[in-house]
Amino acid sequence: QKEVEQNSGPLSVPEGAIASLNCTYSDRGSQSFFWYRQYSGKSPELIMFIYSNGDKEDGRFTAQLNKASQYVSLLIRDSQPSDSATYLCAVNRGFGAGSYQLTFGKGTKLSVIP
Amino acid sequence: DARVTQTPRDKVTEMGQEVTMRCQPILGHNTVFWYRQTMMQGLELLAYFRNRAPLDDSGMPKDRFSAEMPDATLATLKIQPSEPRDSAVYFCASGLSGQGLAGVYTGELFFGEGSRLTVL
Repeated sequence: QKEVEQNSGPLSVPEGAIASLNCTYSDRGSQSFFWYRQYSGKSPELIMFIYSNGDKEDGRFTAQLNKASQYVSLLIRDSQPSDSATYLCAVNRGFGAGSYQLTFGKGTKLSVIP
Repeated sequence: DARVTQTPRDKVTEMGQEVTMRCQPILGHNTVFWYRQTMMQGLELLAYFRNRAPLDDSGMPKDRFSAEMPDATLATLKIQPSEPRDSAVYFCASGLSGQGLAGVYTGELFFGEGSRLTVL
């Protein structure tokens, strides 16, 4: 059983639309959740992190967490061609200094069509 | 401009050769990770250091891989002997374990640009 699962895509959305990226995880003890963006040929960079159930908004990005359903999502509003990248979901079992290991999903490739 | 520095950026070698990859973490970061990324497996954690001490290398094939952190500014990943199945992009990442500003633990990892390894 994969620990962090994402739909590999590609997910194609028109420019200006909302892109919805989903992630499920298997470890119920997971405490913190991260979304990384990786452009082709580049390294991953952090977009957002979330710890608590509910929504967290940062600009055009909204992360949603539902621990009961073991589900994390990332919404990108007003999608731009520059958002075209692979989005990696990462999960950390620990919280704080005690644990710092991130398990990554394989990523969802997003393509925003002009 | 603080960043994680990895060398080499690209390495092509023949099966059986030794490969050493180096990483300079961001100054002040106390955790260093080695990840391997392939299309099939995605990002896999190979090894993890905190304050230079190895905490977890369970993801690493012990018979051929070794990871060390001889000082706070250098982490190394060595493969000996290399095999074609080791072909991948190897990322080093560093971070600060513990509470950051305003008591918030971000868990943010800063990745280097990666070392693309091709073993023929």
